[in-house]
Amino acid sequence: AQKITQTQPGMFVQEKEAVTLDCTYDTSDPSYGLFWYKQPSSGEMIFLIYQGSYDQQNATEGRYSLNFQKARKSANLVISASQLGDSAMYFCAMREGSYSNSGYALNFGKGTSLLVTP
Amino acid sequence: DGGITQSPKYLFRKEGQNVTLSCEQNLNHDAMYWYRQDPGQGLRLIYYSQIVNDFQKGDIAEGYSVSREKKESFPLTVTSAQKNPTAFYLCASSTLGLAGRSSYNEQFFGPGTRLTVL
Repeated sequence: AQKITQTQPGMFVQEKEAVTLDCTYDTSDPSYGLFWYKQPSSGEMIFLIYQGSYDQQNATEGRYSLNFQKARKSANLVISASQLGDSAMYFCAMREGSYSNSGYALNFGKGTSLLVTP
Repeated sequence: DGGITQSPKYLFRKEGQNVTLSCEQNLNHDAMYWYRQDPGQGLRLIYYSQIVNDFQKGDIAEGYSVSREKKESFPLTVTSAQKNPTAFYLCASSTLGLAGRSSYNEQFFGPGTRLTVL
């Protein structure tokens, strides 16, 4: 079963506007971590932000914030004041706390392609 | 600077050949991972290793093999048994620890190897 779902294959946003990228997850483990990565056309994976399941506050890192709604199992990424350089693929990923048959590897969603227009 | 290196950046393979992708890290991380990425898809786990001389299969291990003789190195061999090896391959590493807390275990990624079968 898919553990991470990103329902938006592609998104457009105008420069300087805010955009929300959706992510829902599925786990029965009370201990888990949620990650967002950015992948530009070069292919490198750039870590953006992390939210732990026990963290009381939503994570923020500069222009990135994570809207964490634990009961709804959603972890949406909010990018404020979009820039042209934000155009890239964005991946949501989860690491469960309990050792599973994937060790502590990340489960990735299929990604959202974001295009920032002038 | 600490980080993960992968080589080569581009690799071409003929049908029936085995090829080995290199992954080296100097972050002193215990865990290392290999992921495969196909166009428009998220990352899928091939193999992972939590400790030297030990490794486990991920979700799509068929046609691949790995070794972990040194903490710093986790090479991946794509064998002729892999039916459709053309893809982008990403190596990652992390510490081991409890997910869910703010002391997260970010996975650091290498720049990737793009493998094409001719």
